[in-house]
Amino acid sequence: AQSVSQHNHHVILSEAASLELGCNYSYGGTVNLFWYVQYPGQHLQLLLKYFSGDPLVKGIKGFEAEFIKSKFSFNLRKPSVQWSDTAEYFCAVNGNTGKLIFGQGTTLQVKP
Amino acid sequence: GAVVSQHPSWVICKSGTSVKIECRSLDFQATTMFWYRQFPKQSLMLMATSNEGSKATYEQGVEKDKFLINHASLTLSTLTVTSAHPEDSSFYICSARDKRYTGELFFGEGSRLTVL
Repeated sequence: AQSVSQHNHHVILSEAASLELGCNYSYGGTVNLFWYVQYPGQHLQLLLKYFSGDPLVKGIKGFEAEFIKSKFSFNLRKPSVQWSDTAEYFCAVNGNTGKLIFGQGTTLQVKP
Repeated sequence: GAVVSQHPSWVICKSGTSVKIECRSLDFQATTMFWYRQFPKQSLMLMATSNEGSKATYEQGVEKDKFLINHASLTLSTLTVTSAHPEDSSFYICSARDKRYTGELFFGEGSRLTVL
């Protein structure tokens, strides 16, 4: 069965600090990988996705993620966070079932 | 991107009553929609897959008689929480896949249910 694990549950950073959120998945076949963001009071939005090709994926708002197949990982990064990046971040995996399975989520709090 | 809308955004009901939540794809046709449940400060748990014109597929542990799903048209899926109890209070989110955007799911705004 597919599963997704996010290592960091709550991250607190100061503005301009670099961010890396870990995501590991469990699935032996071909996967599609996603990072979603949920700003306070808003619905889920797609940050970026990986289907195939270049394992370094660039998304919106300066976010990027790297797919490392050998490590079953898809970590999210941003070189310099802003206060407006305060939100809940979810890693998700879509295997051959067509279902999108989410990780536990990481709460990011950026201090101005 | 595609737009998915849910209604109502908020609903409060008495224990024992039933509540219906609608999920609409506004600018595309969705043969498949997904219903998720999100507890406070927790992730989204897939409840069921809603298939247009056929029965929904429920995830393990989800009571199909408690959470009735109907997908009568290509743009509308409904989730009815029957005989609601306080433990059913949660944030319910629907999503749909638009063929124009390969593999991506679009999410509704969510519906917060509070059962008194």
